[in-house]
This record gives sequence, C-alpha cells and structure tokens, in this order.
Amino acid sequence: LAKTTQPISMDSYEGQEVNITCSHNNIATNDYITWYQQFPSQGPRFIIQGYKTKVTNEVASLFIPADRKSSTLSLPRVSLSDTAVYYCLVGDMSRGQNFVFGPGTRLSVLP
Amino acid sequence: DTGVSQDPRHKITKRGQNVTFRCDPISEHNRLYWYRQTLGQGPEFLTYFQNEAQLEKSRLLSDRFSAERPKGSFSTLEIQRTEQGDSAMYLCASSLGVAGGQPDTQYFGPGTRLTVL
Repeated sequence: LAKTTQPISMDSYEGQEVNITCSHNNIATNDYITWYQQFPSQGPRFIIQGYKTKVTNEVASLFIPADRKSSTLSLPRVSLSDTAVYYCLVGDMSRGQNFVFGPGTRLSVLP
Repeated sequence: DTGVSQDPRHKITKRGQNVTFRCDPISEHNRLYWYRQTLGQGPEFLTYFQNEAQLEKSRLLSDRFSAERPKGSFSTLEIQRTEQGDSAMYLCASSLGVAGGQPDTQYFGPGTRLTVL
C-alpha cells in the first residue's frame, strides 16, 4: 500500500484557490489517486479520483505529473463551507484493496 | 436517499456490554467495508466483503470484533464485551466492485458514534 504525505493543516481565505499537494513516492502502476473530504461527525465524502494528467469535476481539479509521485488537489474559490479535513489515498481500487488513511490536511477557510 | 446508511447514528453503552451496528450499502454495490475512526485520526480499515464473502478480516482489532453480511446486502458489525477504548466512530463504505484495471470508488455512510462508559 502506497504511503502518502500531505500537510497537516492549511489556512485560506474565502474566494481564494487552494492547492493541497500529496506525495506518494512509491505509487504502483495500477494505483489510482483518490481524494476525500470529511466534515466533523460525518463520513468521508468522495471528491475526485484520477490516474494521470488532469481530472476536473464540478467540485475540484486533480493534477498528476507524469511520474505520478505526487498529486495536487485544487479547490477553486473556497468558501467557509469548504473548511474540512481532506484525505489523499493511493491504491489499486479494482482489487478491493483497503485504503490507508493518513491524518489528512485540515483546511480552515477564514472570512 | 440512495447513499450508504448506518444505524444507529449514536450508541452509548456500558463497559462489558455487546453492541451491534448495521450498514446498508448502495443497492447495486457488491463490496462493503468497515472502518473505525478515532478523534483526530483518519479512518482505520477493519474488514471488507465481496457479496457474502468476507475477504479480509485480519485487520479486525481483536476477537471481540466480528462482522457479517449474510445475504450480500446489509452488514452488521458486532463488538462483544465493549471496552472504553472501543469508543470511536464506526464507518461503513460500499463500492460497485469492478474488474481489474478500473477504479472502484468507495462511498461512505454517516457513521455510528459509539461511546463506552
């Protein structure tokens, strides 16, 4: 299971773009990169998933360089409601492999 | 609502009692996972099922923990002889269960908060 490293916490202001980078140096060929968001007392919520290059959905963008040893979650124009913990996970989803969650990145959006 | 549901949302029990939690996955999902989350930490994997089969259970925290998915639909997680250290959020997730090479996204339920007094 690939281990991930991400900042413990980040602060931002409303309306700014936030980029959270995750390192995963030993990512395997079949591994996908998945990001979740979690609010207090709730289960993690799927945000975005990718394998290489760039993925964009209505919530966020995910940038993955060619070597795939890192990835960056980009949240455009954050609001106070984006204050949450964000988890980066790496694994081969097709084999039902369990995720290994780290402590995540606690994002605080300030007014 | 067609997401993952868990029941109860909160459970308070006394040390030594048994507790059982239920998880109903998204209806067409074949895989079901259980996690535990303590304060300030990310979720910790416990076990998972492919339909009725429990394919991974070595991560269950002790022999006091057991899980079942008898008909391949809902699942239960039981903790026997609860201890104060069992106090945590217990999360369930489900996924479609896809063939090799494709991502198999896990979707989480709201969790069951257990407090052992």
